[in-house]
Formats: sequence, C-alpha cells, structure tokens
Amino acid sequence: DGGITQSPKYLFRKEGQNVTLSCEQNLNHDAMYWYRQDPGQGLRLIYYSQIVNDFQKGDIAEGYSVSREKKESFPLTVTSAQKNPTAFYLCASSIVGTSGGADTQYFGPGTRLTVL
Amino acid sequence: AQSVTQLGSHVSVSEGALVLLRCNYSSSVPPYLFWYVQYPNQGLQLLLKYTTGATLVKGINGFEAEFKKSETSFHLTKPSAHMSDAAEYFCAVSASNDMRFGAGTRLTVKP
Repeated sequence: DGGITQSPKYLFRKEGQNVTLSCEQNLNHDAMYWYRQDPGQGLRLIYYSQIVNDFQKGDIAEGYSVSREKKESFPLTVTSAQKNPTAFYLCASSIVGTSGGADTQYFGPGTRLTVL
Repeated sequence: AQSVTQLGSHVSVSEGALVLLRCNYSSSVPPYLFWYVQYPNQGLQLLLKYTTGATLVKGINGFEAEFKKSETSFHLTKPSAHMSDAAEYFCAVSASNDMRFGAGTRLTVKP
C-alpha cells in the first residue's frame, strides 16, 4: 500500500524542549513538504525539499528545522525557538512539477502537537 | 506569485440541497487548480484538479468544479449534499512548483 505515514498522531511537549515529527513516504516522490495548520488559517508552508540533501524555507520556517538524508524521509524538528508551536502539522509529497504548476500533493494523516 | 481566496469560512446546507463552495484565484501564469477535502483530525484528500483541457472537472464523491478564466474562479459544486460531505474544503492554486492554499471552508450538512 503506497502512502505517507506520520508519527506520532499526538505529541505533547514541555516548553523549552525540541521535538521531532516523523514523515515517511513510499510513493517514490522526489518532493516533500511540511505544513502547519491553525484554525481559520489554512495551510502554511514551513519547509520543502525537491531532492535528497537539499531543502528550502517556506513562509514560516523560523523555529523549525528539517533534514532530507533519504528520499523516503523528511523529519521536522520543532525547536524551542518556535514561539507558538501548538498546531496540527501535515506532511505531503509529490512528483516535481514540470513546466506547468506544482503537481498533486499527497498528504499524511498529520501530527497534533500540544505544548504544555 | 499566486494566491487563493475562498469566500465564506462556513457554509451550511440541508441534506439533498446544492453545495456551492467558492474559490477565486490570482496567478500571473496559467494555473493548476485543486480542491482538497479534510475530515476532522485527518490529512487532506484530493477531490479534483484542473491542469489543462476541459474546464469542467469531475472529481470523487460526486463533486465537480469549473475553471472560468474570465472570472478567475474555480467553484466547487455538488448537486445533492449528503451527511458524509460535512468536512473542511480547501482550494489550492499552483504555478511553477509553488502551491498556495486558501483558508478553507467548513461545510455543515443539516438533516
């Protein structure tokens, strides 16, 4: 079964701690993305990667870090520098778009992070 | 740069009634357009997409959308709402590997 998995489903963190959210895909997609979702604000892009060992900042990268050591994996670390990390985090993947627009993004089930 | 505006953060319809969710986009180049659905505490699922060709696009679960270039719109419709359609719907626009999502419209279906 091809798809994207995210773990854990729910995550609780104390203030001042770093936490890492896992994202794995077996769709053989080159591009992977991390979004943050807050009520009424839609999806905001944190980081994206179009190839292994390379990634770019999105609109709200401050306080977050990523790595892309393998094509299948794109973990997101929420650092203590992120002022308001409580949110729903979504990972997505796609083939790299060609001359037109970005191709369909396929989403994982999400991780809900709560800072205590 | 492209952007998306979804008119109406909440839409409520009766079961069996027409569903109309509005989406307007801004793009400097011919866009790709998408509608996604999200059920509570889940990821987004693709409903339909427009890239090129026929402007009326049919998707899953009886939904369809029409690309109207002159109106820069891509509204989502379904002739008859079902209780299972209650969810949040997101319109998205992309051009040159950059996808932008609207703020979402929450659809409520009343029995």
